[in-house]
Amino acid sequence: QKEVEQDPGPLSVPEGAIVSLNCTYSNSAFQYFMWYRQYSRKGPELLMYTYSSGNKEDGRFTAQVDKSSKYISLFIRDSQPSDSATYLCAMVAGGGNKLTFGTGTQLKVEL
Amino acid sequence: DAGITQSPRHKVTETGTPVTLRCHQTENHRYMYWYRQDPGHGLRLIHYSYGVKDTDKGEVSDGYSVSRSKTEDFLLTLESATSSQTSVYFCAISDKGQDIQYFGAGTRLSVL
Repeated sequence: QKEVEQDPGPLSVPEGAIVSLNCTYSNSAFQYFMWYRQYSRKGPELLMYTYSSGNKEDGRFTAQVDKSSKYISLFIRDSQPSDSATYLCAMVAGGGNKLTFGTGTQLKVEL
Repeated sequence: DAGITQSPRHKVTETGTPVTLRCHQTENHRYMYWYRQDPGHGLRLIHYSYGVKDTDKGEVSDGYSVSRSKTEDFLLTLESATSSQTSVYFCAISDKGQDIQYFGAGTRLSVL
């Protein structure tokens, strides 16, 4: 079983929809959680960075961490075609120096 | 791409030949990482460095070696390339171990 599980999709939604992307993990030592966005043939770029449990909002994006359930989510409000990309969750243990990535969820936002 | 340059961007080579990929950063970050990305596997860590001449293995290090003689440069070498090493290779940097990692644009390697 992988340390981090992520549904690969593809997930197709209409423009303006609320999108929910999720990851589950098994290592309770993970304390730092990140979401990266990767456009086709590009490198991943950081979207959100959170520490421990709770919510963090940045514009249309909200990251949510529930450490008790070992579950993290990324919500995208008012989704746009430009949000079409692969979304990768990543996490690292406190004091650690290596990220563990999910396999990524491919999102397509259609007009 | 956060001051990270990967070279070459594309390479086609033959089985059995040596290949070196270069990552150059202008951010003076301590940590540098090499990943490979394959369908169904996501990003997997090959090797990383936590300082000049200080390197360690990741989860898929077999068949790869690395060197870091300067803070700004991290080299990944495939001593004798195999078809299973056909992949997209990403370099990443971070200032602290648990800090955000910033990624380069990637190198597409095909081993025929």
